[in-house]
Amino acid sequence: AQRVTQPEKLLSVFKGAPVELKCNYSYSGSPELFWYVQYSRQRLQLLLRHISRESIKGFTADLNKGETSFHLKKPFAQEEDSAMYYCALSGGSYIPTFGRGTSLIVHP
Amino acid sequence: SQTIHQWPATLVQPVGSPLSLECTVEGTSNPNLYWYRQAAGRGLQLLFYSVGIGQISSEVPQNLSASRPQDRQFILSSKKLLLSDSGFYLCAWSVYLVRGIASYEQYFGPGTRLTVT
Repeated sequence: AQRVTQPEKLLSVFKGAPVELKCNYSYSGSPELFWYVQYSRQRLQLLLRHISRESIKGFTADLNKGETSFHLKKPFAQEEDSAMYYCALSGGSYIPTFGRGTSLIVHP
Repeated sequence: SQTIHQWPATLVQPVGSPLSLECTVEGTSNPNLYWYRQAAGRGLQLLFYSVGIGQISSEVPQNLSASRPQDRQFILSSKKLLLSDSGFYLCAWSVYLVRGIASYEQYFGPGTRLTVT
């Protein structure tokens, strides 16, 4: 069975501070991992995927197979980063498993 | 480009009334389609998914049902709504292969806010 854990329901930081949204997964094979974001009054959308090894809006996420983690990081948070973030895992199927989400609030 | 539509955007229905939420996708063919319920602090709960016309898989036994009458149309229904059916319902699509490469990312609609009174 596959599982995704986002231990923080809420993360509150000040503008300019570093941000790390945690995601841990449980899966016996090679996972495909994603971060999705939902800004206020907008639809849920893909932020980044681990296979692309890309930086989107200053966010990066590195897959750590030893720690089974895929934490989302940004060195300097901006107010517009305030949103709901979901980590998701696809274990080689089209049925993903989503974490419960972390609400990020960036204070001015 | 591909787009996904859901309607209505909001709905208020009395307990015991029927429900029909519609989702359509444009710009792609033979997509995988999904219905989720999103609840604060509980993440995304997968309700149904479909890999083709008339093929529906249910993830959670409940008061709801789904149908896929056409390739790019996915409908969420109920014969008699319960108070506990209130929530935010999301439709999503994905395609298995993108330019010959397996792809697992999903694309979401704007959602329907259902309030059962």
